[in-house]
Amino acid sequence: DTAVSQTPKYLVTQMGNDKSIKCEQNLGHDTMYWYKQDSKKFLKIMFSYNNKELIINETVPNRFSPKSPDKAHLNLHINSLELGDSAVYFCASSQDVRTEAPYEQYFGPGTRLTVT
Amino acid sequence: AQSVTQLDSQVPVFEEAPVELRCNYSSSVSVYLFWYVQYPNQGLQLLLKYLSGSTLVESINGFEAEFNKSQTSFHLRKPSVHISDTAEYFCAVSDFMNTGFQKLVFGTGTRLLVSP
Repeated sequence: DTAVSQTPKYLVTQMGNDKSIKCEQNLGHDTMYWYKQDSKKFLKIMFSYNNKELIINETVPNRFSPKSPDKAHLNLHINSLELGDSAVYFCASSQDVRTEAPYEQYFGPGTRLTVT
Repeated sequence: AQSVTQLDSQVPVFEEAPVELRCNYSSSVSVYLFWYVQYPNQGLQLLLKYLSGSTLVESINGFEAEFNKSQTSFHLRKPSVHISDTAEYFCAVSDFMNTGFQKLVFGTGTRLLVSP
């Protein structure tokens, strides 16, 4: 059984288009994340939701909008795609992090977005 | 805010040789440290973590890391590497926010290249 799944795995689109990436976790976790990994493998957090509530919103263009319909899903919608948005986007989940001990984050397989 | 430095972007090594991947973090009163591994075209997997207690932590596949508070380091070592250890390795530190939540801050990654 896949713990954290993302769709699609590959996404090729043209500049100016709007696209969405979906993420689902079946681990019963409360917290979900979106990360962006650029061509140099640098990994940076974009957003995090805890029980459908936005808790982390890093400096990300407002063309990116996360949506969490329930705590098992966190989708990422991107408007007006630009060349610089090309990257691998990873979804992750963990238990509620509002405790002393941080919990392991489980990552999805990634979505490779190519904007042409 | 926490930060993580991985000085080596790439470490080439021959099979069965020992290896050390370096990681330094910015100082903090309390710190939780992690090593994640990313195999080609896959998501990240937790390799090992330091939360408290023994400063030497081990993974199931022969890697170990030692928390050194005075040197603010968490270097990853393996006495004898295999071809299958070829991957990207990320050091991460848990950054506490004033909201009570935590986030992971990743280093820039070290590519371990094991050749026969």
